[in-house]
Amino acid sequence: QQQVKQSPQSLIVQKGGISIINCAYENTAFDYFPWYQQFPGKGPALLIAIRPDVSEKKEGRFTISFNKSAKQFSLHIMDSQPGDSATYFCAASYTGGFKTIFGAGTRLFVKA
Amino acid sequence: DVKVTQSSRYLVKRTGEKVFLECVQDMDHENMFWYRQDPGLGLRLIYFSYDVKMKEKGDIPEGYSVSREKKERFSLILESASTNQTSMYLCASSLGAGISNGQQYFGPGTRLTVT
Repeated sequence: QQQVKQSPQSLIVQKGGISIINCAYENTAFDYFPWYQQFPGKGPALLIAIRPDVSEKKEGRFTISFNKSAKQFSLHIMDSQPGDSATYFCAASYTGGFKTIFGAGTRLFVKA
Repeated sequence: DVKVTQSSRYLVKRTGEKVFLECVQDMDHENMFWYRQDPGLGLRLIYFSYDVKMKEKGDIPEGYSVSREKKERFSLILESASTNQTSMYLCASSLGAGISNGQQYFGPGTRLTVT
């Protein structure tokens, strides 16, 4: 119940295309769903996050879509750029808890 | 800006050695975490601490211990390093439990190789 399942494991997208990464969870107590971006040689950094009271959150070219009934959420990267090439982790946690549960990660490569 | 620093970027140790990985955060965060990152497995929690001298096991604590004597410092100890502990180790910190507890701030990682 604590798992967050992420797909795909890797993704290759043409420059200017849309990158889509999907995650699913089981625990309905989760109330915070962040996405982290990790470049080679660096630690993960928070990219964008959503709470389940909204169905979508957009920050620049990055959008989280959230489907509470399906217990799924996804990251969309519009107009993907080579600089977006990185590993992306979805995650989930709940208020009052200490732990964040991470997905397995998606390696994104944007071809120039 | 929150800064989380780790004592080494790369470390090579021999099987059976005792290994210390140090992490320091400068934002007075209550929570600190140690993860290991392996391809295809994501980030797996080893131990975390929510206060000085307090520690809790994560999902994969076997073969590891931790120490938190000061709020800003969290150490990971491999009592007797083994080759299956070759991995990237990431330290993170976050504010206290509550509505903001989800965001974690990560250090750059330590790539440990055990030969």
